[in-house]
Amino acid sequence: DSGVTQTPKHLITATGQRVTLRCSPRSGDLSVYWYQQSLDQGLQFLIHYYNGEERAKGNILERFSAQQFPDLHSELNLSSLELGDSALYFCASSEGQVSNTEAFFGQGTRLTVV
Amino acid sequence: AQKVTQAQTEISVVEKEDVTLDCVYETRDTTYYLFWYKQPPSGELVFLIRRNSFDEQNEISGRYSWNFQKSTSSFNFTITASQVVDSAVYFCALSEANTGFQKLVFGTGTRLLVSP
Repeated sequence: DSGVTQTPKHLITATGQRVTLRCSPRSGDLSVYWYQQSLDQGLQFLIHYYNGEERAKGNILERFSAQQFPDLHSELNLSSLELGDSALYFCASSEGQVSNTEAFFGQGTRLTVV
Repeated sequence: AQKVTQAQTEISVVEKEDVTLDCVYETRDTTYYLFWYKQPPSGELVFLIRRNSFDEQNEISGRYSWNFQKSTSSFNFTITASQVVDSAVYFCALSEANTGFQKLVFGTGTRLLVSP
């Protein structure tokens, strides 16, 4: 158990809908990262938050947004969902501001868009 | 541009065989970190090792060992005396100073199948 908790584990929704994925980082970790794992794109970095502030953006679509709350949990919001958004979404956390420290991943949320 | 290549898509071995997973990386940065993660069938990503670009010492942890060679831009992972529980997808990843170490760039992964 990495200590990173993601909910829900599975999500099935229809095209055009909006969903929210939740992540609770390990105790004491201030950084939260979101990654998407899909069959065609592999594992891709989406966004990084540190202590409530956005620090870096990767290949994140405009339909997607994220935030990190004062209690350090994070949410990834996906809207106007398309079939191609079906993927495994991982949250990771680390103690420091950057990913050169060990980043521990949650079990992921498997999103299926039908 | 940063890139990680894992040319082996899938490897099948029989239990107790040794197996090496290859990882080749590209970066223009002189300061970077390399990682290996394991993704078992249950789906989570498990951290295995981190190595910085200034430390070329090989590392051994039980049946696992890692060979880092800057001259060939490789960071290979060897499992000695493989076991069925080693069956998983293994990812190599890179984090660079010029992106502020803000993200991990992953390879496409190598699926290892260990049969009894």
